[in-house]
Amino acid sequence: SQQGEEDPQALSIQEGENATMNCSYKTSINNLQWYRQNSGRGLVHLILIRSNEREKHSGRLRVTLDTSKKSSSLLITASRAADTASYFCATDGKTSGSRLTFGEGTQLTVNP
Amino acid sequence: SQTIHQWPATLVQPVGSPLSLECTVEGTSNPNLYWYRQAAGRGLQLLFYSVGIGQISSEVPQNLSASRPQDRQFILSSKKLLLSDSGFYLCATNSGSPPYEQYFGPGTRLTVT
Repeated sequence: SQQGEEDPQALSIQEGENATMNCSYKTSINNLQWYRQNSGRGLVHLILIRSNEREKHSGRLRVTLDTSKKSSSLLITASRAADTASYFCATDGKTSGSRLTFGEGTQLTVNP
Repeated sequence: SQTIHQWPATLVQPVGSPLSLECTVEGTSNPNLYWYRQAAGRGLQLLFYSVGIGQISSEVPQNLSASRPQDRQFILSSKKLLLSDSGFYLCATNSGSPPYEQYFGPGTRLTVT
């Protein structure tokens, strides 16, 4: 079963606005990752945050992790039309080895 | 860096026909390999993973099977397709050491009619 659950399922914003997506998970993790998927394509790794980290930045991306609440958020600042895609969180549980469990994703639409 | 090739890109097959999807990886040796299925608008379901030649682990019981005849080749098969096998199939490998970032192929869109 899928461990990660993202919300919202869909998000529509205007260019220049910030987009925030949330992910919740159920078991203890080593790391949490965020991936992006353009329509009909494979997933692309965006950013990884370790269980002992609380916040991480990469360009316009900011990820937070709250292990006490088993949740993470992905913030995309100053969004662009090219950011339109589905975004997935993925976790590797402490007993899952290299396997990842993906959430259901958030479909982000950035309107020009 | 790893490059993953998948083919075919799209496939339309009748119910009851066989299936063979192929995935090959470049740029790494002895990779961990994964097959995922993605239903429309949904997340990824892990179907199979392999840590080496001939070593396949199945995550969910289903109408599909996987094989790894060579180090960098991973094949997804079915003897008789069902309508429910339709979906987007993704092959992936990982970074090889923790933390395990995954790298995905372009996917195969399978429609069973």
